[in-house]
Amino acid sequence: DQQVKQNSPSLSVQEGRISILNCDYTNSMFDYFLWYKKYPAEGPTFLISISSIKDKNEDGRFTVFLNKSAKHLSLHIVPSQPGDSAVYFCAASANTGKLIFGQGTTLQVKP
Amino acid sequence: DTGVSQDPRHKITKRGQNVTFRCDPISEHNRLYWYRQTLGQGPEFLTYFQNEAQLEKSRLLSDRFSAERPKGSFSTLEIQRTEQGDSAMYLCASNLAGSRNEQFFGPGTRLTVL
Repeated sequence: DQQVKQNSPSLSVQEGRISILNCDYTNSMFDYFLWYKKYPAEGPTFLISISSIKDKNEDGRFTVFLNKSAKHLSLHIVPSQPGDSAVYFCAASANTGKLIFGQGTTLQVKP
Repeated sequence: DTGVSQDPRHKITKRGQNVTFRCDPISEHNRLYWYRQTLGQGPEFLTYFQNEAQLEKSRLLSDRFSAERPKGSFSTLEIQRTEQGDSAMYLCASNLAGSRNEQFFGPGTRLTVL
């Protein structure tokens, strides 16, 4: 059972525009959500997180939105840059140690 | 460099052989995690330790897999009698217990079973 889903395998965006990456989850016990970025041949790198008590968290060009009623979160990158091209994973935690990851979305930002 | 390190970075083995991977976490982190990632998928949780204690194991971790963290610092993951289906990237991560901070990942060990 896929508790965290990223339904878009890939996304292509023009440099300077907004990138929106989406993630859906099914487990209502999840109370903390994270986004990771992964370049080839490297481990995932933490980007931004949000607690279930909030609906928005912002860090520079990155903003994560959480809609608990819809069990949906999204990552907005504004403005997108070519260096943002990578695979993005959303992950969720239910107050245990482990993270449950989605399948990933490959973002390509074109110059 | 004080990040999470993993050794080896790549391992090619024949089916039926045993392999062992090592992970060195960030020194002040008391929690250490193992994940496995296959092509086109996100990392899947295998197990995690708090200090020396193994607190949780996934159903994915068959009897052929064993993990240890004997002194609460580095950890090893051993796979016995490897199968072609074990081919994957094995990722290690660490963080501090008691906070909701992110897990810091190492570069991974790429295992290929022929």
